[in-house]
Amino acid sequence: DADVTQTPRNRITKTGKRIMLECSQTKGHDRMYWYRQDPGLGLRLIYYSFDVKDINKGEISDGYSVSRQAQAKFSLSLESAIPNQTALYFCATSDSTTTGVYQETQYFGPGTRLLVL
Amino acid sequence: AQSVTQLDSHVSVSEGTPVLLRCNYSSSYSPSLFWYVQHPNKGLQLLLKYTSAATLVKGINGFEAEFKKSETSFHLTKPSAHMSDAAEYFCVVSDRKKLVFGTGTRLLVSP
Repeated sequence: DADVTQTPRNRITKTGKRIMLECSQTKGHDRMYWYRQDPGLGLRLIYYSFDVKDINKGEISDGYSVSRQAQAKFSLSLESAIPNQTALYFCATSDSTTTGVYQETQYFGPGTRLLVL
Repeated sequence: AQSVTQLDSHVSVSEGTPVLLRCNYSSSYSPSLFWYVQHPNKGLQLLLKYTSAATLVKGINGFEAEFKKSETSFHLTKPSAHMSDAAEYFCVVSDRKKLVFGTGTRLLVSP
């Protein structure tokens, strides 16, 4: 089984709808991240969480919210989806205990492809 | 603020020839640098990382990268390309709390 799973893998929704993307991990990591990937722009950080009680905005958090339900679960919500949120979304995890904070390897899920019509 | 610039959006090579993917970074302190690879319809996977130890870093699948402070570069190389190397490659710098990604280089490998 994959260490970092994302559901759904693909989603089509309409403008104005609320949707939730879910991420679960079995790696036992304390840190989790949500990114979006757009062609030619690389990955951009939406939100990150260093533990269950620690949630931080990334560089493009407007229009998104997150919930860290447990150490292993980190959900991303689009409260009112708009077409420019069409993108590939990735969840990632890292382990703060192994190395210094800026040396951590991040482990990525397979991605959720979202289309907002 | 930390940033990376990947100098080529696409690189095309023939199977068996060397690979060079270029990356320059900007950092106000000693950086941690990474290369990640993304195969089609897959998540990203770490190839290698530099964390102020040896300047020549060896990664998986025969890839390596050299940290050159004087040139602010961290280019990725492989002596001989394989068809399975076709993917998108991201150069990444750590911003103490988070990763900052380059825009990616798509590597095309022809037979």
